[in-house]
Amino acid sequence: EAGVAQSPRYKIIEKRQSVAFWCNPISGHATLYWYQQILGQGPKLLIQFQNNGVVDDSQLPKDRFSAERLKGVDSTLKIQPAKLEDSAVYLCASSPGLGPYEQYFGPGTRLTVT
Amino acid sequence: AQSVTQLGSHVSVSEGALVLLRCNYSSSVPPYLFWYVQYPNQGLQLLLKYTTGATLVKGINGFEAEFKKSETSFHLTKPSAHMSDAAEYFCAVSIDNQGGKLIFGQGTELSVKP
Repeated sequence: EAGVAQSPRYKIIEKRQSVAFWCNPISGHATLYWYQQILGQGPKLLIQFQNNGVVDDSQLPKDRFSAERLKGVDSTLKIQPAKLEDSAVYLCASSPGLGPYEQYFGPGTRLTVT
Repeated sequence: AQSVTQLGSHVSVSEGALVLLRCNYSSSVPPYLFWYVQYPNQGLQLLLKYTTGATLVKGINGFEAEFKKSETSFHLTKPSAHMSDAAEYFCAVSIDNQGGKLIFGQGTELSVKP
């Protein structure tokens, strides 16, 4: 069974530029999560999808971050414009559904904003 | 609101020694509790989880954790550390009515000395 795929693995941009991250979850997983992991901290949920609908985006800085999962499969997270404090690892995870299921994490995208 | 506190950002043990990583949580409703491990440049992998039932939970790689409601704790233990256990460990809590999102502690880096 293929795991959660993310790309790119690494990205360096200058502040005020835009960037996009892509995630392909495990086949059949209805729930998809985007987490932000700042160095030295635990991951923090940015947004959660159930199929193509948003379940929770309360922690997403909506003035600069956006995410979509149009066909209920893969997802894109965008930052525009980026700030220095956005430097972090962006983790995508998926699970079979809502509830206390195991979440399967991708390798993450390490973003550096200079 | 739910929260997780991991005592000790760095723990160092000798190979063969007991591993004890501490986790305390705060929740007004019965929580689901998880331990994840993160190796360098990789995503998170589930070690074990507590949902209901037996309070002593066994996971992969010889790890186990005990849910103690009276102490609001979910400490992770392993009787004998191995060099391959060196990694970052995260405790997380999930609440049933919040769609499965995880709230993570800040992490504990485990070092294993030969």
